[in-house]
Amino acid sequence: AQSVTQPDIHITVSEGASLELRCNYSYGATPYLFWYVQSPGQGLQLLLKYFSGDTLVQGIKGFEAEFKRSQSSFNLRKPSVHWSDAAEYFCAVGAPGGTSYGKLTFGQGTILTVHP
Amino acid sequence: DTAVSQTPKYLVTQMGNDKSIKCEQNLGHDTMYWYKQDSKKFLKIMFSYNNKELIINETVPNRFSPKSPDKAHLNLHINSLELGDSAVYFCASSRTGQPQHFGDGTRLSIL
Repeated sequence: AQSVTQPDIHITVSEGASLELRCNYSYGATPYLFWYVQSPGQGLQLLLKYFSGDTLVQGIKGFEAEFKRSQSSFNLRKPSVHWSDAAEYFCAVGAPGGTSYGKLTFGQGTILTVHP
Repeated sequence: DTAVSQTPKYLVTQMGNDKSIKCEQNLGHDTMYWYKQDSKKFLKIMFSYNNKELIINETVPNRFSPKSPDKAHLNLHINSLELGDSAVYFCASSRTGQPQHFGDGTRLSIL
């Protein structure tokens, strides 16, 4: 069964500081990996995805993530955080095939607070 | 234009009632999903339909019944609502093998 762990429930950074949100997954093969962001009262917006190929993927809003197979990780990074980045971030793993094809399993989310 | 739209946005009702949530997508996607987000913000898939065919049916009480009249619509009907059904329900859609696009959610509160 696939699973996702986001070890940090809440992270606080200062505006302009760098950011790294951790994500570890469990899956029998190479999964599809995603980061979504949720602002209060809103749905989930896709930040970036990894399907295959280059392990460093670029997303929207200046975010990037790196797939590390040996560590089963897909950490999200941003070099300089803006106040508007304050939100909750979800890592998700998807099955590329089989009976669970299309099923997304989400981590428990990381709340990001940005101090001015 | 809204890509994935859900109605209603808020739903407040009493225990034991039956209610429906509607979802429509105008992205031309062939797969649609229902997720439940509980009070701790944990998101879990409930159902998935591909071209009107049920393909994912997680362990969900049979009081929950999805219905897909066509590829652009996936509705969720809930019978005999219970307190534990209070949550935010998200609809999503995708092309096969592509990332999912989410609606803004329906916040269901059971009194």
